[in-house]
Amino acid sequence: EAGVAQSPRYKIIEKRQSVAFWCNPISGHATLYWYQQILGQGPKLLIQFQNNGVVDDSQLPKDRFSAERLKGVDSTLKIQPAKLEDSAVYLCASRGQGNTIYFGEGSWLTVV
Amino acid sequence: SQQGEEDPQALSIQEGENATMNCSYKTSINNLQWYRQNSGRGLVHLILIRSNEREKHSGRLRVTLDTSKKSSSLLITASRAADTASYFCAISSGGYNKLIFGAGTRLAVHP
Repeated sequence: EAGVAQSPRYKIIEKRQSVAFWCNPISGHATLYWYQQILGQGPKLLIQFQNNGVVDDSQLPKDRFSAERLKGVDSTLKIQPAKLEDSAVYLCASRGQGNTIYFGEGSWLTVV
Repeated sequence: SQQGEEDPQALSIQEGENATMNCSYKTSINNLQWYRQNSGRGLVHLILIRSNEREKHSGRLRVTLDTSKKSSSLLITASRAADTASYFCAISSGGYNKLIFGAGTRLAVHP
């Protein structure tokens, strides 16, 4: 079974530029999560999708972050404009019928 | 704010020793999960314990859950250098199984 795929793996951008991250969850998984993990901290939930609907986005900075999952499969997380404090790893995860959540390797963002 | 709080923040032991990490939380849970993260890598699911369970084993891992104290512990027995990683507890709660992580415990196992 293929795992959660994320791209790009690494991205360096200047502040005020925009960036987009892509996630392809495990086939058939209805729930998709995006987390932000700053170095030395635990992952922080940004947004959770159930199929193509948002069930939690309470921690998403909506003035600059957006995410979509139009067909209930792939998802894109966008940051525009980026700030220095957005430097982090962006982790995508998915869950099927069971309770186990599977994480991708993450997309590392450095904002300079 | 994150709901899971791990203790200690860092732990350094010798190979062969046991490592114990604790997690406390504040709300009612569906289940509690433990994850491992090697440096620069994604999170790997280790073990899940449901709210009506008190103890669970998986290989060298033992997890306990005390819902009255809102706390859990992860015990790694006979540790190996390869166990060096960060360990996170995560609380699953609500109808959609929202998963919130703690700050983690950084474990270093020395040969």
